[in-house]
Amino acid sequence: DAKTTQPPSMDCAEGRAANLPCNHSTISGNEYVYWYRQIHSQGPQYIIHGLKNNETNEMASLIITEDRKSSTLILPHATLRDTAVYYCIVRSDSGYALNFGKGTSLLVTP
Amino acid sequence: ETGVTQSPTHLIKTRGQQVTLRCSSQSGHNTVSWYQQALGQGPQFIFQYYREEENGRGNFPPRFSGLQFPNYSSELNVNALELDDSALYLCASSLGGRTEETQYFGPGTRLLVL
Repeated sequence: DAKTTQPPSMDCAEGRAANLPCNHSTISGNEYVYWYRQIHSQGPQYIIHGLKNNETNEMASLIITEDRKSSTLILPHATLRDTAVYYCIVRSDSGYALNFGKGTSLLVTP
Repeated sequence: ETGVTQSPTHLIKTRGQQVTLRCSSQSGHNTVSWYQQALGQGPQFIFQYYREEENGRGNFPPRFSGLQFPNYSSELNVNALELDDSALYLCASSLGGRTEETQYFGPGTRLLVL
């Protein structure tokens, strides 16, 4: 599975959009981009995933560049409860393991 | 809430002992994956069980073993505990084997080895 690069930490003001970037320059055609988040000491929570097209659900939007070498997770109106570590994971359709990196620690401030 | 449950929530063991952790998968899911998360690190894949058979394994020694039962619940067993085994142990359930599917995590079991 392709490796990902994320900034170690980011801040966002409450009510603003949080845009979390992820680079995955070695991604191949059958690999999906997954996003999970982990609030302190809890199990990781699935957010969203995509292959080529942009995706949106009730939690977030996922924007994947046309060359698929990077993506951005967007939390449209961040709240204090969105403070967590966000993991970007690239996974093949035959890959059984999720390879978590260090993720991005997002702090949402009042 | 994902519907994935784990027991116990916390556990304290001493070095050399053995431990069994349990996971109940989400209704309808036939695959369970186990992960170890050391403090300050991301989760690391231990192994996956699909329809009662080990489907893949990460870089963990044989003293980490598992089982999956006909109802798709699963156990993680760790023998000869070492201090470095202290971690949050996570299980995740999903539908399918090695095809693309989403894994849903339980709350984890925190193991402390003294």
